[in-house]
Amino acid sequence: DAGITQSPRHKVTETGTPVTLRCHQTENHRYMYWYRQDPGHGLRLIHYSYGVKDTDKGEVSDGYSVSRSKTEDFLLTLESATSSQTSVYFCAIRSGGWSYNEQFFGPGTRLTVL
Amino acid sequence: DQQVKQNSPSLSVQEGRISILNCDYTNSMFDYFLWYKKYPAEGPTFLISISSIKDKNEDGRFTVFLNKSAKHLSLHIVPSQPGDSAVYFCAASGGDYNQGGKLIFGQGTELSVKP
Repeated sequence: DAGITQSPRHKVTETGTPVTLRCHQTENHRYMYWYRQDPGHGLRLIHYSYGVKDTDKGEVSDGYSVSRSKTEDFLLTLESATSSQTSVYFCAIRSGGWSYNEQFFGPGTRLTVL
Repeated sequence: DQQVKQNSPSLSVQEGRISILNCDYTNSMFDYFLWYKKYPAEGPTFLISISSIKDKNEDGRFTVFLNKSAKHLSLHIVPSQPGDSAVYFCAASGGDYNQGGKLIFGQGTELSVKP
């Protein structure tokens, strides 16, 4: 258990509304990631963070922004949600052990944009 | 441009037999590979990994094989159990993706182990 929680776990919203998803970790990991999972695409990286206030884009970052003001929290914001952003969103942290590229995932947030 | 591919969306295996899940990659700079297992309504869980300096890594019933010349890796599960039924993702890292420890995932293969 990597101590990762995500909130909310489920959300239904309407096109054009802003949405913020929260990822919280309890183990002080430096690296945090946001992915989306869609059928036929596996998991695709949206944004990641390598420290407080340090973030960078992933492969599907358009329409998303992130913020990290504290080590433990990584927020994903959809400024104006679209139906194409209906997906399951996963947060992950990177382990600090010798297998340095292992990532551990939260339970996910299912987002539906109507 | 899918750099990591799992060409079989699904696989069905009898309990007790071997399950073989396959993964191909195109980027020769990838040097670390991982397998994740995902149950419905849960996050992916790390299963096993392999560095490009090895060609095999074993952990209990799970073995990952890496063929660098073919840019191919496979996950063997022996013996398969009904609790192994899940979606399996392979992932790769290395080269440009080392920055930030980024992983590139395949599309996933749904394994069904029948009693």
